[in-house]
Amino acid sequence: DTGVSQDPRHKITKRGQNVTFRCDPISEHNRLYWYRQTLGQGPEFLTYFQNEAQLEKSRLLSDRFSAERPKGSFSTLEIQRTEQGDSAMYLCASSSWDSGGRTIYFGEGSWLTVV
Amino acid sequence: KQEVTQIPAALSVPEGENLVLNCSFTDSAIYNLQWFRQDPGKGLTSLLLIQSSQREQTSGRLNASLDKSSGRSTLYIAASQPGDSATYLCAVRRSRDDKIIFGKGTRLHILP
Repeated sequence: DTGVSQDPRHKITKRGQNVTFRCDPISEHNRLYWYRQTLGQGPEFLTYFQNEAQLEKSRLLSDRFSAERPKGSFSTLEIQRTEQGDSAMYLCASSSWDSGGRTIYFGEGSWLTVV
Repeated sequence: KQEVTQIPAALSVPEGENLVLNCSFTDSAIYNLQWFRQDPGKGLTSLLLIQSSQREQTSGRLNASLDKSSGRSTLYIAASQPGDSATYLCAVRRSRDDKIIFGKGTRLHILP
């Protein structure tokens, strides 16, 4: 068990470009969460999955954001036509729905800077 | 709507002191509550998890309590050390949809 891993750890992109982040959860964890965090704030919920099914997407997210978990394992978060306000750390987390007390484990995050 | 509030937002104390961080939540229908530590620029590290049926959990110098009916949790840190300096986040897992809602955190600075 290598924990939750995220890639890339840092991304600098020009405004208007598309970016994609990848998250590999702890194996056999069926729940996967995406959060966004800006400086001085707690993590803000973006979306979550049960296996490959996306259960909910935050109303705060525009249509420029999309997330997938095609085979119920890794997940990708894509941001299209990035804006400076998208600059933040994007955190991925996973947990088991039915064991381990539903403890949630986070990755190290992916920092996005839009210039 | 579940709202999670952490007080104080920031705290500075001399090394060796015992301290308490507070977390309150508006909806008591939670599955569990988890405390995390976050160092600058890093991800979140789980410290303690309390199930809704439990009153407290302990790990080393840390003790977390939960009063679900009043919507409160505290994190007690004994004999604080400079290495405890970090942001501490509280998160509740809602029973009805398994969403996890965070507070804004308490930034703790332990003075050597």
